[in-house]
Amino acid sequence: AQSVTQLGSHVSVSEGALVLLRCNYSSSVPPYLFWYVQYPNQGLQLLLKYTSAATLVKGINGFEAEFKKSETSFHLTKPSAHMSDAAEYFCAVSEKNAGNMLTFGGGTRLMVKP
Amino acid sequence: NAGVTQTPKFRVLKTGQSMTLLCAQDMNHEYMYWYRQDPGMGLRLIHYSVGEGTTAKGEVPDGYNVSRLKKQNFLLGLESAAPSQTSVYFCASSYYESNEQFFGPGTRLTVL
Repeated sequence: AQSVTQLGSHVSVSEGALVLLRCNYSSSVPPYLFWYVQYPNQGLQLLLKYTSAATLVKGINGFEAEFKKSETSFHLTKPSAHMSDAAEYFCAVSEKNAGNMLTFGGGTRLMVKP
Repeated sequence: NAGVTQTPKFRVLKTGQSMTLLCAQDMNHEYMYWYRQDPGMGLRLIHYSVGEGTTAKGEVPDGYNVSRLKKQNFLLGLESAAPSQTSVYFCASSYYESNEQFFGPGTRLTVL
């Protein structure tokens, strides 16, 4: 079974600082990888996805993630944090199969200090 | 388009009561999913459906039943609610050829 590990359930950065949210996955074959964002009392919104094209993926709101097969990682970054980035972020993995099911990490809550 | 909608938004049940959560999508998606979200555990798949009239178990199916009588609707039922089912429930849908899932706003369920 696949698993996804997000290091750090809470991450705090200052406004304008680099954001780095870590995600490692376990999969024997290159999977599809996703980052979702959840704002308070809302559903999940797709930030970006990796589907075996370019290893550096750009998403919405200035976020990007790099797929590193050798490290089985898909870390999410943003050069400069904004107060509006405060939310919970989920990494997810999927293999091409019937149902296209996602396996989620435990989530990382990002706090942005003024 | 409304996307994925969920009814109700909030509900409080007593132990042993039953209820049904409704999910509707207007994107003509083939696949639909029910998840529960608990602190520190991310989202866990309860049941899913790959088409009208078909359902399958996910990671945590015990205590839940589902039905997909129409392509646009996916119902999640709790026959006898337990406090361990207190959670936030999310519905999602996707095209069969895409791994991207679209999520509803969630239902917050409390079982006393």
